[in-house]
Amino acid sequence: SFELTQPPSESVSPGQTATFTCSGEKLGDKYVAWYQQKPGQSPILVIYQDNKRPSGIPERFSGFNSGDTATLTISETQAVDEADYYCQAWDSSTVVFGGGTRLTVL
Amino acid sequence: QMQLVESGGGVVQPGRSLRLSCAASGFTFSNYGMRWVRQAPGKGLECVALISNDGDDEYYADSVKGRFTISRDNSKNTLFLQMNNLRPEDAAVYYCSKGQNVVGGAFDLWGQGTMVTVSS
Repeated sequence: SFELTQPPSESVSPGQTATFTCSGEKLGDKYVAWYQQKPGQSPILVIYQDNKRPSGIPERFSGFNSGDTATLTISETQAVDEADYYCQAWDSSTVVFGGGTRLTVL
Repeated sequence: QMQLVESGGGVVQPGRSLRLSCAASGFTFSNYGMRWVRQAPGKGLECVALISNDGDDEYYADSVKGRFTISRDNSKNTLFLQMNNLRPEDAAVYYCSKGQNVVGGAFDLWGQGTMVTVSS
């Protein structure tokens, strides 16, 4: 079955760039979305169709998808960005989520 | 503004049933596919059921197939999840979410979630 793999954690200093990876077989052939989830809150969509930002999401958030890996990048990372980040793609009619990466802003 | 509000969660014994509801507002509910996503304590996200905008098509995760049923009432802007024969591993926060009407549609609106506890 199709799986998405994310590293469990990422840490970055304020003002630096945070990079999240999401790996899956031929993932570049699918559209990838990314969600941010802060503790005790519902997820929110930050990237869809690989690199599009919903209204209200800062330009600091960007996405790319090619080959077997999709990436989410947060530039000029701030303390408010500390959260879990999940990638998601469709495999036929099945929704697949990655296991999530916890971002710590040191 | 667009909003999803879940209800119906609670504590239930293994083998019993529970019905979750999700009230939608602020958008034309009948135009969008809807989904139920759950999150066990300390774990990641799992999409357990999807339904098309008109209710004609449903999909289920293998973990709930045959036990859960997703449905919707477009006249009342409400999404449902009927959960039968509940197991301890079904314990989670259940979120309803709205699908985008684009290719590879993501989940662009989430409710606050409702907690389901399965325990004897």
